[in-house]
Amino acid sequence: AQSVTQLDSQVPVFEEAPVELRCNYSSSVSVYLFWYVQYPNQGLQLLLKYLSGSTLVKGINGFEAEFNKSQTSFHLRKPSVHISDTAEYFCAVSRASGTYKYIFGTGTRLKVLA
Amino acid sequence: NAGVTQTPKFQVLKTGQSMTLQCAQDMNHEYMSWYRQDPGMGLRLIHYSVGAGITDQGEVPNGYNVSRSTTEDFPLRLLSAAPSQTSVYFCASSPGREAYNEQFFGPGTRLTVL
Repeated sequence: AQSVTQLDSQVPVFEEAPVELRCNYSSSVSVYLFWYVQYPNQGLQLLLKYLSGSTLVKGINGFEAEFNKSQTSFHLRKPSVHISDTAEYFCAVSRASGTYKYIFGTGTRLKVLA
Repeated sequence: NAGVTQTPKFQVLKTGQSMTLQCAQDMNHEYMSWYRQDPGMGLRLIHYSVGAGITDQGEVPNGYNVSRSTTEDFPLRLLSAAPSQTSVYFCASSPGREAYNEQFFGPGTRLTVL
C-alpha cells in the first residue's frame, strides 16, 4: 500500500521569502506524485506532477518540486512567495499500475505574512 | 465548459435523514470520484467510478452509496446521516483511469449533520 506524509501542518512565511513544503511517501511499487493547491472555499487544483524523467518538475505560479527516490521525498519549493500563495497544499501519490486510486497527504497550510 | 459542478453548496441534516449530493461534469471524463475532507486528515476516497455502470469502494465507503448511470453524473447518497458524516465533500473527475491523469475538482459541498 502507498502512504503520504506531510510533516508540517502549518508553515508561516514572510512575503518574498523562500518556502519549502515537505512531502514523503512510502510505496513498494513505482508511483506518480502530485501537488495540489486549495485556495479558501474552493476545490483542489493541480500545481505539478512527476511521472518520470527529470527529477525537477516545474509547475504553475512559480512552484517547483524535486523527486528524490532514495529519500522517498517530493518537496515543493518556491523561491519567493506572495500573499496570494496563502492556501492549503496537498501532496498525493498514485500507484503507477493497477487500480487507480489517489492517496492524499493531510495537507500543509501555507500562510504568507506581509 | 462548466467543469465539475456540485450541488448543494451547503446542507444541514438531522441524524437519520437521507440525502443525495449531486455531481456532474461536462468534460466527457471516464473517471469520477468522491472524497471527504476533514481537518487534519486530508482527503479520503469514499467511492469511485471508472465508467458508466462501474463503481467501486474507496477508503471510507460505509454509510454512502453511489451509482453511475451516465458518463456525466455521479451522485453520492447518504442513507441515514450521522454526525460523523459532517464534512466537506468533493467530487472529482479525470480523463481516464490511468494513474498519471490529473483530477479536476468541484467546489465542494459543506455538510453538517446535527
